[in-house]
Amino acid sequence: ETGVTQSPTHLIKTRGQQVTLRCSSQSGHNTVSWYQQALGQGPQFIFQYYREEENGRGNFPPRFSGLQFPNYSSELNVNALELDDSALYLCASSLPRDTGELFFGEGSRLTVL
Amino acid sequence: QKEVEQDPGPLSVPEGAIVSLNCTYSNSAFQYFMWYRQYSRKGPELLMYTYSSGNKEDGRFTAQVDKSSKYISLFIRDSQPSDSATYLCAMTSGVGGTSYGKLTFGQGTILTVHP
Repeated sequence: ETGVTQSPTHLIKTRGQQVTLRCSSQSGHNTVSWYQQALGQGPQFIFQYYREEENGRGNFPPRFSGLQFPNYSSELNVNALELDDSALYLCASSLPRDTGELFFGEGSRLTVL
Repeated sequence: QKEVEQDPGPLSVPEGAIVSLNCTYSNSAFQYFMWYRQYSRKGPELLMYTYSSGNKEDGRFTAQVDKSSKYISLFIRDSQPSDSATYLCAMTSGVGGTSYGKLTFGQGTILTVHP
């Protein structure tokens, strides 16, 4: 069974640039959630995708957007990067209606200079 | 005020000690409660999962939920150096489509167990 994989693991961008982060969900999981974890903080929910549609969003601006593909993999796109976007971005997959058992990837660490 | 408050520690204990980790919350709709463990440079992994109030035991780990007090705890018995990690409490209402993937996390407690 393949776990959740994310790429890239680390990246550095400058303010105003755009970034795309990628996630392959665990085999058989059709729901993907994205979280932002700032240093020293717990993860914060960005949004969830189910059947290629956004299925809920946290308190993040529209410059955070995503996609889910037919094979359940997903992308997180962030436009107009700000310094405060520096964080670990975590992708988690789950079966639909699983009440909280998320399987997380190791994350993509984004640094914005 | 944050929906979930967790004492960030850090917490340093000797090997073999009993560890108590706690979270309080304000949203009475929460009914699914979890503890995740996060090692350095890794993603969180589910450690314990509890529905509604009560206790759940798994080996050296015991999770307690008191919904009347909006308070959850994780106890680790006979702590080991390999338990050194950040422990995150998380919870969700579990109602409706979004809630199943939308967890609200505490800020995490950094635990170090020294030999």
